[in-house]
Amino acid sequence: AQKITQTQPGMFVQEKEAVTLDCTYDTSDPSYGLFWYKQPSSGEMIFLIYQGSYDQQNATEGRYSLNFQKARKSANLVISASQLGDSAMYFCAMREEGNSGAGSYQLTFGKGTKLSVIP
Amino acid sequence: AAGVIQSPRHLIKEKRETATLKCYPIPRHDTVYWYQQGPGQDPQFLISFYEKMQSDKGSIPDRFSAQQFSDYHSELNMSSLELGDSALYFCASSFLPSGPSYTDTQYFGPGTRLTVL
Repeated sequence: AQKITQTQPGMFVQEKEAVTLDCTYDTSDPSYGLFWYKQPSSGEMIFLIYQGSYDQQNATEGRYSLNFQKARKSANLVISASQLGDSAMYFCAMREEGNSGAGSYQLTFGKGTKLSVIP
Repeated sequence: AAGVIQSPRHLIKEKRETATLKCYPIPRHDTVYWYQQGPGQDPQFLISFYEKMQSDKGSIPDRFSAQQFSDYHSELNMSSLELGDSALYFCASSFLPSGPSYTDTQYFGPGTRLTVL
């Protein structure tokens, strides 16, 4: 079963509007982390925002916020006031305990959502 | 702020050749991860090192090996290259603080784009 599901292969948003990118996850680990990364067409992977499973409040970083609904196992990314430079692939990822335990926290990624910002 | 450095940025090899990818983590980061991202795919975890010891292994082919050196830089060695190895290879680094509530964000390097002809 998919551990991270991103159901929107592509999204369009008008410049200056807000957009929500969906992410649901599946884990039985009580301690986990959820991350969002941005990958522009140039290829680099840019960290945007982090939410820990024990965090009581939703994470925010500038124009990015994470709508964390633990009971529903969802961690949607909200981008406010979209800019042309926001056009990119966005990946949701989860960190769980690795197979060997200590010092291993590999990320499992979703398939990504390609966001296009329209002027 | 210092970022993860990867070299080379681009690499072109023939089938059956070998390749070595290098990664220099962010200073004071104690964990290095390698990921492979095929065209149009999400990144897949290959292998990780914590304090210079291999800590976990993912879907890494037996033809690949990796190590982390005393200065914390890491190298991914790939032998008998196949066409299917063409991909973007990322190195990421993180700092693993202790405690039940922590952030161990992985910061990615720019990647090495490997093309196997």
